[in-house]
Amino acid sequence: EAGVTQFPSHSVIEKGQTVTLRCDPISGHDNLYWYRRVMGKEIKFLLHFVKESKQDESGMPNNRFLAERTGGTYSTLKVQPAELEDSGVYFCASSQDFRLFAYEQYFGPGTRLTVT
Amino acid sequence: AQTVTQSQPEMSVQEAETVTLSCTYDTSESDYYLFWYKQPPSRQMILVIRQEAYKQQNATENRFSVNFQKAAKSFSLKISDSQLGDAAMYFCALAGGSEKLVFGKGTKLTVNP
Repeated sequence: EAGVTQFPSHSVIEKGQTVTLRCDPISGHDNLYWYRRVMGKEIKFLLHFVKESKQDESGMPNNRFLAERTGGTYSTLKVQPAELEDSGVYFCASSQDFRLFAYEQYFGPGTRLTVT
Repeated sequence: AQTVTQSQPEMSVQEAETVTLSCTYDTSESDYYLFWYKQPPSRQMILVIRQEAYKQQNATENRFSVNFQKAAKSFSLKISDSQLGDAAMYFCALAGGSEKLVFGKGTKLTVNP
């Protein structure tokens, strides 16, 4: 069974540019999450999809961030325009029905975003 | 708000020895789960061990065990017979009231041969 994959693994962009991160969850996982870790700080929740619907987007920092999950499969996270403080590692995770599997989330390797 | 605190940014242990990583948390939820995740260098984060708050018995997974002190809101991870492959960042996390995980800042564990 393939794990959660993320693309690209590393992205370096200039302030003001646009970047799109992609996450492919484990097949059959309805739940998809985005998290971010800024250097030296905690991993912070951004948002949660159930299939194609946004269940919780309380962690999205501002309207420069746009997440989509068309068809309930892969998800994209677009940052437009990027700012210096957006630099960090963006993690994607997926899970099956939490009621059965007790919140176990499977993480991807992360995308390291550097905004210069 | 829920919080998780890991007070040890870095720890080291000799191979074959035992090490304990600390974690404290705060939540107003009565039903919650606690986790330890491990992230080896340049690799994906994986779940090491999980504890349901309603269970009094401490969870154990092979060489990994937890000391769950609910009243003290403490959830430490003990690694016995440490191996070189245990070297990683270890994150303590909490999920309660929703599916989102709340993480601590992590503890970097070095295993010395």
